[in-house]
Amino acid sequence: AQKITQTQPGMFVQEKEAVTLDCTYDTSDPSYGLFWYKQPSSGEMIFLIYQGSYDQQNATEGRYSLNFQKARKSANLVISASQLGDSAMYFCAMRSDSNYQLIWGAGTKLIIKP
Amino acid sequence: GAVVSQHPSRVICKSGTSVKIECRSLDFQATTMFWYRQFPKQSLMLMATSNEGSKATYEQGVEKDKFLINHASLTLSTLTVTSAHPEDSSFYICSARSFSGGLPGEQFFGPGTRLTVL
Repeated sequence: AQKITQTQPGMFVQEKEAVTLDCTYDTSDPSYGLFWYKQPSSGEMIFLIYQGSYDQQNATEGRYSLNFQKARKSANLVISASQLGDSAMYFCAMRSDSNYQLIWGAGTKLIIKP
Repeated sequence: GAVVSQHPSRVICKSGTSVKIECRSLDFQATTMFWYRQFPKQSLMLMATSNEGSKATYEQGVEKDKFLINHASLTLSTLTVTSAHPEDSSFYICSARSFSGGLPGEQFFGPGTRLTVL
């Protein structure tokens, strides 16, 4: 069965520091995709970054990068130079190739301290 | 591009009434729309998947007669919470997959609807 695990329920990070949010996954599909979303207190889901299972390079989008370790089945999100506005819930999700649903992790609540 | 609207953003209703939530893809055609429910401090829980012109597929444990989903066009899906009760109070989010474009499997999310049943 496909599964996403986020082991950090909450994290406190000092402003301007880098932060790594953990995500491990389990799937037997050879083709899959991994997404990270940010959900601020307003509730909207904001797409951050995507990594395809066949992508050779780690994905990057501005201050966001994805540390993709395929053999270890991990897809950690790295936020460089954290800002107060980064405080939010962060969800890791995996595309199910069988029905295109997204499998969701439990989320990590990130709080950036000034 | 790829904007999804959801209306209303917030609704308060009395127990026993029905509430309709609309989800629209504004600038693309959505082959599939998803409805999620989210409890405080928890992850998204998929309620159902709907394809235009066909019956929605509900996840195990979701009452079909309680949560009516209609996907009448490629840009509109509605969720009706029938005879709402306080335990139905939650944050409901819709998402849509584009007929063309976007990342493989990418879902575009609406801003959510906060339902409070008194």
